[in-house]
Amino acid sequence: AQSVTQPDIHITVSEGASLELRCNYSYGATPYLFWYVQSPGQGLQLLLKYFSGDTLVQGIKGFEAEFKRSQSSFNLRKPSVHWSDAAEYFCAVWGNAGNMLTFGGGTRLMVKP
Amino acid sequence: KAGVTQTPRYLIKTRGQQVTLSCSPISGHRSVSWYQQTPGQGLQFLFEYFSETQRNKGNFPGRFSGRQFSNSRSEMNVSTLELGDSALYLCASSLLWGGNELPYEQYFGPGTRLTVT
Repeated sequence: AQSVTQPDIHITVSEGASLELRCNYSYGATPYLFWYVQSPGQGLQLLLKYFSGDTLVQGIKGFEAEFKRSQSSFNLRKPSVHWSDAAEYFCAVWGNAGNMLTFGGGTRLMVKP
Repeated sequence: KAGVTQTPRYLIKTRGQQVTLSCSPISGHRSVSWYQQTPGQGLQFLFEYFSETQRNKGNFPGRFSGRQFSNSRSEMNVSTLELGDSALYLCASSLLWGGNELPYEQYFGPGTRLTVT
């Protein structure tokens, strides 16, 4: 069965600093990977996805992620964080047993002024 | 294009009652999935419907059920509510499922916050 691990439960960065959120997955076949963001009291918004091809994918709001098969990782990055990026971030892998997503536990990002 | 809508947004029920939550997918989307989000268990898949048929179900008791209508709108029902059912219930919709089994993005609604007292 597929699984996703986000090792960091909380991360605090200063505004303007770079950001990397870690995601490791376990999946037997070619993974289809996603990053979502959730602001307080809101649903999930898709930031980016990896299906195939270029291992560096660009998303919305200046985010990017790099797929590394050898490390089973799909880390999310942003070169300069804005205060509005404070939210919870979820990595997910799509399961081929139906149209379902398996999510990691999430990383809560706090941004210091 | 309007996003996924869920009603109601907030709900308070007592133990033993039942509840029905509603989800209207994005126009043209025929796959609807439901997820439960709690602080302790995180985001967990409940079930997925496509063309009025449940295609996949997560590891939840039979008290959790759902259905999908011909217009792709979906409802989920929880019977005999327990305190542990307090959660944010999220609905997500996807485009028509392709024959090549490639996944499509899931677009989430704002959720229904259910509190069981």
